[in-house]
Amino acid sequence: GQNIDQPTEMTATEGAIVQINCTYQTSGFNGLFWYQQHAGEAPTFLSYNVLDGLEEKGRFSSFLSRSKGYSYLLLKELQMKDSASYLCAVLDSNYQLIWGAGTKLIIKP
Amino acid sequence: IAGITQAPTSQILAAGRRMTLRCTQDMRHNAMYWYRQDLGLGLRLIHYSNTAGTTGKGEVPDGYSVSRANTDDFPLTLASAVPSQTSVYFCASSDLSSGTNEQFFGPGTRLTVL
Repeated sequence: GQNIDQPTEMTATEGAIVQINCTYQTSGFNGLFWYQQHAGEAPTFLSYNVLDGLEEKGRFSSFLSRSKGYSYLLLKELQMKDSASYLCAVLDSNYQLIWGAGTKLIIKP
Repeated sequence: IAGITQAPTSQILAAGRRMTLRCTQDMRHNAMYWYRQDLGLGLRLIHYSNTAGTTGKGEVPDGYSVSRANTDDFPLTLASAVPSQTSVYFCASSDLSSGTNEQFFGPGTRLTVL
């Protein structure tokens, strides 16, 4: 079966750094996405990785290791507005997105 | 219109009633999707369409139907609603020729079936 695992909830402090991990087992791999979803809102795109390595975009970075079936999202200089759920999703062999349940990130002052 | 719109924003429905959730995009994306999102679960694909005139079943298609008469619209119909269909429904679209299949989401419809 297809499976994507990520922690249910994490807590971090404003101004700090947090790493959200995602492991996956899917039928085929055509890329991995991270989306941000604020409570009551739609998911919005953060990053896309298809090759191994780190992709940096401002305060957010995403890392991928295809051999390990592993990715992480790194958020630096945390702000209160970063409080949200972070969704990991893998594009499988049929080019359909398989979604993790999401990680709820709580930022404390 | 900018992006994807969904209607209604929310709805309370009696079990057994028929309901159509509407979705319209103005980005000329070829692919469109319907997901449901339930607490503690990831987004689950209900139906999808890779191009106007074609549709496919996702992970949880039972009790739902879709049509894709044109590029912009992708309505989702519940023929006879049941309480287990209480959920938040998101419509999304993507450009399959973009290479990444980044999906853009509508604001969602919160549906309660009593």
